[in-house]
Amino acid sequence: AQSVAQPEDQVNVAEGNPLTVKCTYSVSGNPYLFWYVQYPNRGLQFLLKYITGDNLVKGSYGFEAEFNKSQTSFHLKKPSALVSDSALYFCAVRPTRDNAGNMLTFGGGTRLMVKP
Amino acid sequence: GAGVSQSPSNKVTEKGKDVELRCDPISGHTALYWYRQSLGQGLEFLIYFQGNSAPDKSGLPSDRFSAERTGGSVSTLTIQRTQQEDSAVYLCASSLRHRNPHEQFFGPGTRLTVL
Repeated sequence: AQSVAQPEDQVNVAEGNPLTVKCTYSVSGNPYLFWYVQYPNRGLQFLLKYITGDNLVKGSYGFEAEFNKSQTSFHLKKPSALVSDSALYFCAVRPTRDNAGNMLTFGGGTRLMVKP
Repeated sequence: GAGVSQSPSNKVTEKGKDVELRCDPISGHTALYWYRQSLGQGLEFLIYFQGNSAPDKSGLPSDRFSAERTGGSVSTLTIQRTQQEDSAVYLCASSLRHRNPHEQFFGPGTRLTVL
């Protein structure tokens, strides 16, 4: 069975500084990896996904994530944080094998707080 | 509509009552998923529908939970004899297809409170 770990419950960053939200995964075979963001009282919004190809994936709102197969990680990054980036971030994995099920397995979420 | 819609947005019920939660997926999306977001538990997969195929029910926590998808579109999640531990936000998502890694689009959720 696949699993996702987000080791930090909360990340605090000053506005303008770079941010990293960590994610590691465990899956049989190759993964599809996703990042979602949840703003207060809103549904989950898709940020970006890794399928294949370049390890650095660019997504919405200036976010990017780097797939590292050897470390089984998919950390979310942004060069310069905004106060409006403050939200709950979820990493998710899906195995690529067709018979492995199609649901996403989510990490526990990391709350990002960007201070002015 | 433009996105996934869910109703009601909030539901308060008494322990032991049955509840129905509704999801309208994005038009044309053949795959539909239900997840549960509990305080301190993260997001938990419940059930998945793909077209007219038999649903994947592997995430349903008990036989009190069931779901239907009529006409390949609208879905209803039913919880019978609700318990306090059922209190959570129930999220519905849809995607274009189950094959290929199409991203899932989530609705705003239904917040269920069982008193």
